[in-house]
Amino acid sequence: SPVLTQPPSVTVAPGQTASITCGVENFGRISVHWYQQKPGQAPVLVVYDDNDRPSGIPDRISGAHSGNMATLTISRVEAGDEGDYYCQVWERDNEHPVFGGGTKLTV
Amino acid sequence: EVQLVESGGGLVKPGGSLRLSCAVSGLRFSNVWMSWVRQAPGKGLEWVGRIKSESNGGTSDYAAPVKGRFTISRDDSRNTVVLQMNNLKTEDTGRYYCTAESMTIAGAVSLDEHFESWGQGTLVTVSS
Repeated sequence: SPVLTQPPSVTVAPGQTASITCGVENFGRISVHWYQQKPGQAPVLVVYDDNDRPSGIPDRISGAHSGNMATLTISRVEAGDEGDYYCQVWERDNEHPVFGGGTKLTV
Repeated sequence: EVQLVESGGGLVKPGGSLRLSCAVSGLRFSNVWMSWVRQAPGKGLEWVGRIKSESNGGTSDYAAPVKGRFTISRDDSRNTVVLQMNNLKTEDTGRYYCTAESMTIAGAVSLDEHFESWGQGTLVTVSS
């Protein structure tokens, strides 16, 4: 069955670069989407279709997808970037979305 | 500005029912597919179900844990989507988010969907 694997946590110093991975198994060629959820807030779409950003998302946040691994990269990390990050794909066979377990980013 | 505002959450006993509503503004609601996503306390995101636009059939699909107990409907005249939850279980406890989707379709097949806009959520607690 399809699985998205994320590390439970990532810690990075302010000003450095954070990389959050999402292992994409048994999906074939699909797009990966990313959501940021700051403490006490609703999730926000930050990257869609592997590497596109919605309007208003800073270009410090970027996505990439190669083979079975997708990566969300946050450059020049700030304290305000702390929160949980979720990857998501669309499972075509069942027409259901699948979320990764989430990664807690600590700055 | 797109706004999604959920309401209707609360405390309910196991076996009870609850009706959540989501009022949407700032987009052409009749064209939008709407989903509900929930989050148990301290846990990750879980998709609940989705309703297509009327022009795409207006049909609904559900995650396995809620199929047969939850029903999603929409009222395009009021820009509202409703989640009717019956026979609630303690494991249904969580915050329920209404989302507006962006989708890629080919004929009747959905190739990709993601969640473009989110409400702030409404809290559902199922407990005796």
